Amino acid sequence: AQSVTQLDSHVSVSEGTPVLLRCNYSSSYSPSLFWYVQHPNKGLQLLLKYTSAATLVKGINGFEAEFKKSETSFHLTKPSAHMSDAAEYFCVVSAHSGNTPLVFGKGTRLSVIA
Amino acid sequence: EPEVTQTPSHQVTQMGQEVILRCVPISNHLYFYWYRQILGQKVEFLVSFYNNEISEKSEIFDDQFSVERPDGSNFTLKIRSTKLEDSAMYFCASYLPGPAYEQYFGPGTRLTVT
Repeated sequence: AQSVTQLDSHVSVSEGTPVLLRCNYSSSYSPSLFWYVQHPNKGLQLLLKYTSAATLVKGINGFEAEFKKSETSFHLTKPSAHMSDAAEYFCVVSAHSGNTPLVFGKGTRLSVIA
Repeated sequence: EPEVTQTPSHQVTQMGQEVILRCVPISNHLYFYWYRQILGQKVEFLVSFYNNEISEKSEIFDDQFSVERPDGSNFTLKIRSTKLEDSAMYFCASYLPGPAYEQYFGPGTRLTVT
């Protein structure tokens, strides 16, 4: 079974400062891990994914995440926040084969202050 | 770029009524999914569909729910007798096995049961 814990329900940063959204996972299998973003009243957009290749994964809009097996973590970072980054972010795990159901974390709401 | 589409974007129905949510997955994809997100909560898996049958379902997907791919393009979710607690955003997703490892999500249908 898979599960995801997003450690912060809300993160607030100033524009231009770094972003860190924390995620820990649990999986019986070698997992695939994803970060999805949801802007208000919009659907889910894939930011980045880890599928057992490089442990440092680069995504869209300057976001990165590092898979750390020893810590069972997959934290999302961005060096400099932009106002347009304000959204809900979901850490997601699935079993290694991509067709299996995705298991979502509860989400972290990112606020960016001007 | 191909995308998953969903109709309607918003559906209001009375308790006890039947509702059908429609999705058009990406044309060459093989796996299809429904997820739901109750307001303020995390996204939850409902059902996956492959080769014209349900491949996996969650405990949420009880006898009130059914899915169908009637014509090779549409993928529908039917709720036979809606309850207030069925009010949620319903997301359709599709997946093609391969290196992308990504389930592509539609924009969602917001279902409001009154």
